[in-house]
Parts: sequence; structure tokens; C-alpha cells
Amino acid sequence: NAGVTQTPKFQVLKTGQSMTLQCAQDMNHEYMSWYRQDPGMGLRLIHYSVGAGITDQGEVPNGYNVSRSTTEDFPLRLLSAAPSQTSVYFCASSLAGGMGETQYFGPGTRLLVL
Amino acid sequence: KQEVTQIPAALSVPEGENLVLNCSFTDSAIYNLQWFRQDPGKGLTSLLLIQSSQREQTSGRLNASLDKSSGRSTLYIAASQPGDSATYLCAVKRETDSWGKLQFGAGTQVVVTP
Repeated sequence: NAGVTQTPKFQVLKTGQSMTLQCAQDMNHEYMSWYRQDPGMGLRLIHYSVGAGITDQGEVPNGYNVSRSTTEDFPLRLLSAAPSQTSVYFCASSLAGGMGETQYFGPGTRLLVL
Repeated sequence: KQEVTQIPAALSVPEGENLVLNCSFTDSAIYNLQWFRQDPGKGLTSLLLIQSSQREQTSGRLNASLDKSSGRSTLYIAASQPGDSATYLCAVKRETDSWGKLQFGAGTQVVVTP
């Protein structure tokens, strides 16, 4: 299994541009999430999904859109990039909920918005 | 709102010493707590998961304890090695949150010197 994969690894955008961060998992996990990591602030949840066709907002959803048309894929869209969105983005997945269920993380996408 | 705090933010120890990393959380209504390791420029790797009904978990040189009532968890790494140098993050899953949501601390950056 490849686990959780993310593309691209690194991206530079200009203010106002749009782009899609890709995330895929091959573990048949129901739950998928997007986090951003900023220095000194830990990881903050952007959006999450509990299954195909079902998404919800996390702690910092403004400026981002998601959709979940398949179990495997969970893309994150930046509609109009802003410098405040410069960050490292992580996608995570887990099997259907349970107290002993751990989350698996992708390698991250580093985004720089100029 | 759940707040997760990790102190200290950074720690440097000589090889062979035991490491003690602390994590505190304000809302004791949690399902589980996880400890992750993050290497520079990489994603997160789950080390240990403690369910709310458990007091501790062990894996090799790692031992994590959980005191849910006082809102504390401690990660012990015995006989540290230079390869243990990384950032360690704790994350909690609240009872009131969906299974795709974790609340993270900002992490403790550990350096083990030869």
C-alpha cells in the first residue's frame, strides 16, 4: 500500500491564483482530513470528511473548498490564494471511527503565496 | 474549546538520557490521545495511541501514560539515541467531535546529542 499520498510536494503561487492540492489514500479509509501547520501553532483542521459525499468544516475553513466524490480522493481547493495561506498542508485518513483508531498522515505540501 | 499544550517547546539531551515529554489538555472528555513523531520536512508518524479507558501504552523504548481526570499525558523515551531527534506532537480526540477531527499541541522539538 502507498498509504496517504499528496501532490504537489511544493508549490509557489501568486496572490489571487487558485490551485488544488491533491490527496489520495489506498487503505479504504472512510475518514479523511486536511490540516495546516504553521510555526508554533501545531496542526489546525481545515475540512474533514466522514465518507464519500459528506464533508464538514474544521477550525480554519475560510478560503478553502473540498469535495469527496470517491472514498480514495479528497482534494483541497484554494479559490483565491492569499499570503496568509502560506503553510504546510497535511492530509490524513483513518478507518471508520473507534477509540483505538489511529490517523495516517501524508508527507505534506509546502505552499508559498507571494 | 479544547486546548492542548506541550511543554517544553524544545529540549536537548545527551545520548543515553531518558526523555520526558509532557502534554496537557483542558477538556477531559476525550476518546483517545495520540503521540506522533515528525521529522523535518516530513509528515507525521503515529507512535502510540492511548484510549480513554487506558492508563498507559508501551512500544519498545516508548511508554505513554494518560491521566484523563487531570488532563495530562507523558511520553517517556528510554535511553535516548541521536535517531530520536525529531518533533513530538500529541493530539486528542474529543468525545464531542467527529472521528476525523483531532486537536493538536504545538509540539516539542527534541535534539539528542551524541
